[in-house]
Amino acid sequence: GQQVMQIPQYQHVQEGEDFTTYCNSSTTLSNIQWYKQRPGGHPVFLIQLVKSGEVKKQKRLTFQFGEAKKNSSLHITATQTTDVGTYFCAGNSGNTPLVFGKGTRLSVIA
Amino acid sequence: KAGVTQTPRYLIKTRGQQVTLSCSPISGHRSVSWYQQTPGQGLQFLFEYFSETQRNKGNFPGRFSGRQFSNSRSEMNVSTLELGDSALYLCASSLALGGSAQFFGPGTRLTVL
Repeated sequence: GQQVMQIPQYQHVQEGEDFTTYCNSSTTLSNIQWYKQRPGGHPVFLIQLVKSGEVKKQKRLTFQFGEAKKNSSLHITATQTTDVGTYFCAGNSGNTPLVFGKGTRLSVIA
Repeated sequence: KAGVTQTPRYLIKTRGQQVTLSCSPISGHRSVSWYQQTPGQGLQFLFEYFSETQRNKGNFPGRFSGRQFSNSRSEMNVSTLELGDSALYLCASSLALGGSAQFFGPGTRLTVL
């Protein structure tokens, strides 16, 4: 079945440094979504990408969807302590359910 | 709009017992999905309901079941609990099936002793 791999598993950065997490699917995706889960919280929807090569920005966050629609990335510029949490990508094809990556846990050292 | 609500928030059961978890989706959302989250396995898809019908099912044993009511509220049931069922069970609602954005509830933390 479809698999979504996410790297790295953990990332520790100094406040102000940049951060990137990568997501790769074993199959071509209809769309890719990104979620953030704060410690002790639940996943919160951030964004959805549907077009090949699509790039979207939300303030310091930049999301990309690969040309082949099999990979994606989330880049955070100048991390802040409020960015702490686990970032998940999730993708699907057609009406199949979303498959989540295992997430990247981001720690920010002030 | 009110968010997704889940009850109970915490539950402690013993092996062999059964449990029922409840989820109320965001008003207007007709699709409800359930996920199991554990530290080792991440978010694992259990099932997805739309208009009272199970549309997709994950790779879990038959001890895990669910249903959706006409008001879109959903329940999931786990029978004959095992220690490995200890997890955070998350419900998510969305407007449509498949690739729609998922809006998660706070989860039910189940501990099996």
